[in-house]
Amino acid sequence: KNQVEQSPQSLIILEGKNCTLQCNYTVSPFSNLRWYKQDTGRGPVSLTIMTFSENTKSNGRYTATLDADTKQSSLHITASQLSDSASYICVVSYSGGGADGLTFGKGTHLIIQP
Amino acid sequence: DTAVSQTPKYLVTQMGNDKSIKCEQNLGHDTMYWYKQDSKKFLKIMFSYNNKELIINETVPNRFSPKSPDKAHLNLHINSLELGDSAVYFCASSQDWGGRKLFFGSGTQLSVL
Repeated sequence: KNQVEQSPQSLIILEGKNCTLQCNYTVSPFSNLRWYKQDTGRGPVSLTIMTFSENTKSNGRYTATLDADTKQSSLHITASQLSDSASYICVVSYSGGGADGLTFGKGTHLIIQP
Repeated sequence: DTAVSQTPKYLVTQMGNDKSIKCEQNLGHDTMYWYKQDSKKFLKIMFSYNNKELIINETVPNRFSPKSPDKAHLNLHINSLELGDSAVYFCASSQDWGGRKLFFGSGTQLSVL
């Protein structure tokens, strides 16, 4: 069964600190992995996509990693800001699947405190 | 210039009523979706619609029905609302059937009393 597990479920850190969010998946055959950011009261917005051949990708202060062998991904946030407070959702898609070929994690709820 | 817009933002109604949520996308995408986000923030797909092909998540009650007047619109109609239908409903779109990057609307918070 395709599954995506995210940890931690929630995280509170002080502004300016770094943090790392984890995503483990059992989706097969793997196509790609996306990280979405969902602000309170808004819809999720794609931050980055990782394909099988990519190990690391950065988007500003966000850096995603992918280890296709161990089926793990991480999202590292550097020098956190108050605006980083949101839920971060890992979504893995499998090859050949149509619109239902996406498996969602339950998200990590991140709170940045001043 | 909102890419995916859905209305209303909030919907409060009584059990047994029928209600609709509207969704429009101006991205020229071929595929649209409806997702349900429960109280634990878990997103589950309800429907996907592409070129008049509808894929239904088999766990969705038949009280829920999507209606697409054209490629840019996918509305969600709900009959005989139940307490358990209370959730946030998100409309989304993607460029095509294989396009896995989803563009979400801002959500409709449905409360059934």
